Amino acid sequence: EIVLTQSPATLSLSPGERATLSCRASQSVSSYLAWYQQKPGQIPRLLIYDVSNRATGIPARFSGSGSGTDFTLTISGLEPEDLAVYYCHQRSNWPLTFGGGTKVEIK
Amino acid sequence: EVQLVESGGGLVQPGGSLRLSCAASGFTFSNYDMHWVRQATGKGLEWVSSVGTPGESYYAGSVKGRFTISRENAKKSLYLQMNSLRAGDTAVYYCAREGYGHAFDFWGQGAMVTVSS
Repeated sequence: EIVLTQSPATLSLSPGERATLSCRASQSVSSYLAWYQQKPGQIPRLLIYDVSNRATGIPARFSGSGSGTDFTLTISGLEPEDLAVYYCHQRSNWPLTFGGGTKVEIK
Repeated sequence: EVQLVESGGGLVQPGGSLRLSCAASGFTFSNYDMHWVRQATGKGLEWVSSVGTPGESYYAGSVKGRFTISRENAKKSLYLQMNSLRAGDTAVYYCAREGYGHAFDFWGQGAMVTVSS
C-alpha cells in the first residue's frame, strides 16, 4: 500500500501569504496525484489532477508540482475562503490512498 | 449538470447490513469508473471501493469480504452492499466519479452510516 504523508498538519498564515503544502509518497505514484479541498461542512472538491493540472473553475492561485514521490500544492496569495483541509490522493496503485490532510488556517 | 445523490444510510446494529445507493445524472454513467469514499467524523478521507466500466471491483483491506460494490448502468446507479458492519464503519459515505487524470471530479453529498447498539 502506498502511504501518502502530508505536512505540515496545520498551516496558519495571513491573507496574501503563500501556502506550501507537501505530500510525500512511500513509493512512486507516477503522475496520478491529485489534490482536493474540503471546506468546513462541505464535500471534497477536486483542485488539481495529474500533479499539476487545475480542475475546471479552480483559481490560478492554486498550483501543483512535483514528481515521483514528492509533491507540492501551492496557494499563491491566500484568500480567507481558502480556509480548508487539503488532501492529496494517489490513483497509481491499488489500494487507492489519501494523505492525512493539511489544515490551512487564516490568521 | 452532473449530480450524484446517495441514499440508504442510517443506524444499524453491529453485525447488521445496509445497502447504499448512488443515483447519477447529467453524464453518461456507463463511461465512468465510480468509487465510494468514507469519512468518519472529524477524520480524513478513506477510499473504500471502486468499480470500473467493465464491472471489475476493488476494495480497501478493511472492508474486503464484507462490502460489495456494484453498478447498474441502465439505472445510472452505483451501490454498496455492506455486511457484518462494525463500529469502525461509522462514517459519511460519498460516491464519486472518476474523471480527468483519474481523479475524483464529482462527489455526492454523502450518506451517513452509524453502526451502534
